[in-house]
This record gives sequence, C-alpha cells and structure tokens, in this order.
Amino acid sequence: NAGVMQNPRHLVRRRGQEARLRCSPMKGHSHVYWYRQLPEEGLKFMVYLQKENIIDESGMPKERFSAEFPKEGPSILRIQQVVRGDSAAYFCASSRATPGQGNYGYTFGSGTRLTVV
Amino acid sequence: DAKTTQPTSMDCAEGRAANLPCNHSTISGNEYVYWYRQIHSQGPQYIIHGLKNNETNEMASLIITEDRKSSTLILPHATLRDTAVYYCIVSQTGANNLFFGTGTRLTVIP
Repeated sequence: NAGVMQNPRHLVRRRGQEARLRCSPMKGHSHVYWYRQLPEEGLKFMVYLQKENIIDESGMPKERFSAEFPKEGPSILRIQQVVRGDSAAYFCASSRATPGQGNYGYTFGSGTRLTVV
Repeated sequence: DAKTTQPTSMDCAEGRAANLPCNHSTISGNEYVYWYRQIHSQGPQYIIHGLKNNETNEMASLIITEDRKSSTLILPHATLRDTAVYYCIVSQTGANNLFFGTGTRLTVIP
C-alpha cells in the first residue's frame, strides 16, 4: 500500500515561470491537504480538497496560487509567475476524513522542494 | 490557531527515555491529541494519537492526564534517529485541518 506520493521531489523554476506540484493520496483517502514550509519555519496550512471540490482555501494566497483535485488523477498545486518568496517545501497529506470529525490523522508525502532562481 | 504549548527544545541522552510534555488546557471533550514529528527535510510523520486513555504503539507511548489538560509523549529508548521536531496537536471539532505550531526540537545526544 503506497503512501502519499508527491512529485517532483525537487523543482527549480525561474522567476515568472509556472510551477506544478502533484500529489497522489493514499489508497482509500479522499481528503487532500497542502501545506507550505518556508525555510526554518513551521508548516502552514494552505488548502483542503476533496474530489473535484475545494473545501477550505483559507491558507492559500489569493494571487497566483490554485489547487485542484480532479475526479481522476492526482491533486495539483499550481503556482503561476513564481517569485523568490515562493521557494519552500510543499507537503501534501491525505486522510480518510477531516481531523475535526474525530479519529483521523494525516499521512504526509515527502514533499516537493521548490527553488525559484 | 494553536491550542497547545510545548517547550521549544529538549535534549535527551541516547538510550534514555525522552519525555516530551504538552499543555492543552482548553481541550474540548471530543478533541483528540495527535503527535507528529518531522525529521530534518522530511515530511511530517504520524506518531500516535489519543482521546482519554493512555496509548502505546511500536513508536511511543502517550500519557494523557485525567483532566486531559496535558499529555506526555514518551520515546522509551531514544536513538540518534529520533532527533526531530515533535508537534503536539489538538484536533479542533469541525476543523478542516491540523494546526502545526512550533513544536519541540528534540536532540538526542550520543
């Protein structure tokens, strides 16, 4: 049973380019979460999705960032016109249900390290 | 926002038990306590969680006080590979995500 798969592991983009980060949740998990971790900082929630729906995007910047979780295929975090400040580790997690529903935690992927040059 | 407080850092000698405390004095009756850790540059790793009773698994033990206002994560025989940041998290009722605070940076010393 594969865990949460993220790719690529490392991504280098020039300023102004687009970055696409992919996340395949664990089998049986229909809830996907994206977190960002800036260098030497903690994990910050960005967005929570279920299949074909964005449930909570309160942590995602309003400009340039978008996320989707289509019916088929992985969840995608898309960053348009990247800037140096977007350089960070982006982690995806999945779960069977939301933590607020009780006894469900997350399984995290290994992350994508985005470097903007 | 954070509902937990943890010490910023702790040291532990290799082979000894590491006891990581966490205060969650405003926890509600149906909220769980989760522990995760993040080893440098890796994704966070689930350790254990509990509601009221003490819990034990192959990684650690979780001791929750009777009033549930605090808990302790115990790594019974710490190794160098246990050096990581440990996060104590309370799942908030109706929340859509887990809030990761600053955690405790545990350093296991040879």
